[in-house]
Amino acid sequence: RKEVEQDPGPFNVPEGATVAFNCTYSNSASQSFFWYRQDCRKEPKLLMSVYSSGNEDGRFTAQLNRASQYISLLIRDSKLSDSATYLCVVSGSGYSTLTFGKGTMLLVSP
Amino acid sequence: NAGVMQNPRHLVRRRGQEARLRCSPMKGHSHVYWYRQLPEEGLKFMVYLQKENIIDESGMPKERFSAEFPKEGPSILRIQQVVRGDSAAYFCASSRTESNQPQHFGDGTRLSIL
Repeated sequence: RKEVEQDPGPFNVPEGATVAFNCTYSNSASQSFFWYRQDCRKEPKLLMSVYSSGNEDGRFTAQLNRASQYISLLIRDSKLSDSATYLCVVSGSGYSTLTFGKGTMLLVSP
Repeated sequence: NAGVMQNPRHLVRRRGQEARLRCSPMKGHSHVYWYRQLPEEGLKFMVYLQKENIIDESGMPKERFSAEFPKEGPSILRIQQVVRGDSAAYFCASSRTESNQPQHFGDGTRLSIL
């Protein structure tokens, strides 16, 4: 089983749509969870941290299910500028080295 | 610009040459991480350093690759005797502490081997 697994997509959605991405991770001792976005192979940029209680930042909602080792990201009212690759990122049980999924590509069209 | 600074942005080397990639962490950050992204692949952890110490190098190839973060100056990722397979984007990230803090990335260095 891959350490962090994501559906590569692409997800093609129209502007205004709601889209959800899922991610599973294999290391049950992982402590920190994040969603990053990466545009056209540029540097990854932190989108949001993910907490067990779930958290929301504007149009973005992240959820963590530790029992199922599952993380989700929901984007509401998609914008053209949301087109990017979304990276599910999990830290190890020791130091905070990060393990990246390969990413899910989102394409938002007019 | 108080972000993570990497240079050069692009580096071209011939097979057998040495490549040196530099990274200055964000102000106030003392933890540096190097990642490599091969074409069509995700980012892979290489090495984690603090000032003058390598904390975790479990992702570094056993040969030709080395990293340092001296007391003064940037962190350096050094690749000796480069081969075509070293062509990739190399990203540096920094964090304030190691405790569950998110990491902030530099623009990366695109290394091309001729």
